[in-house]
Amino acid sequence: KAGVTQTPRYLIKTRGQQVTLSCSPISGHRSVSWYQQTPGQGLQFLFEYFSETQRNKGNFPGRFSGRQFSNSRSEMNVSTLELGDSALYLCASSIQGAGGSPLHFGNGTRLTVT
Amino acid sequence: DAKTTQPNSMESNEEEPVHLPCNHSTISGTDYIHWYRQLPSQGPEYVIHGLTSNVNNRMASLAIAEDRKSSTLILHRATLRDAAVYYCILGLSNFGNEKLTFGTGTRLTIIP
Repeated sequence: KAGVTQTPRYLIKTRGQQVTLSCSPISGHRSVSWYQQTPGQGLQFLFEYFSETQRNKGNFPGRFSGRQFSNSRSEMNVSTLELGDSALYLCASSIQGAGGSPLHFGNGTRLTVT
Repeated sequence: DAKTTQPNSMESNEEEPVHLPCNHSTISGTDYIHWYRQLPSQGPEYVIHGLTSNVNNRMASLAIAEDRKSSTLILHRATLRDAAVYYCILGLSNFGNEKLTFGTGTRLTIIP
């Protein structure tokens, strides 16, 4: 079974630009969640999608948005990039997204904003 | 959200057991206890999870205190590949509340 795939692996963007990151979950997994990882803040929850609906959202500004498609693939968008958005963005999938379901993470997209 | 407390770092000798502690004194009755680990340049990897009873799998064992306010991840025979940051987190069992909160984790160093 293929794992969680995130593309691209690396991205370099300029302040003010926007970026879209992609995540393909494990086949059969309906929940996709996104996390931001930085050295100072650790792993922070962004949002979670289940069956194309956003179910939970973390404490991030509206510049961070996402969506999920009918095949469970998910995209995350960040508009008007700031230097502080430089981070590793991780996507995780699980079967149903409840606390009893293990999360399966991809290896992330490393975003650098200059 | 309920929080967890872990030591910042631990060291262990190769081929010896490792006990990684986690305190979660504000855990609610419906919170699952999850453990993940993260190797350099990789996303976190699921290790084990449980609710009330001790759990075993091929990677590790999870010992949960009777009052559920603490737990211990046990690696029975540490190898160099077990060097990683280990995260203990709580996940609500209610369907539709996927919002795991990661702490800073424990950086485990394995000494050859």
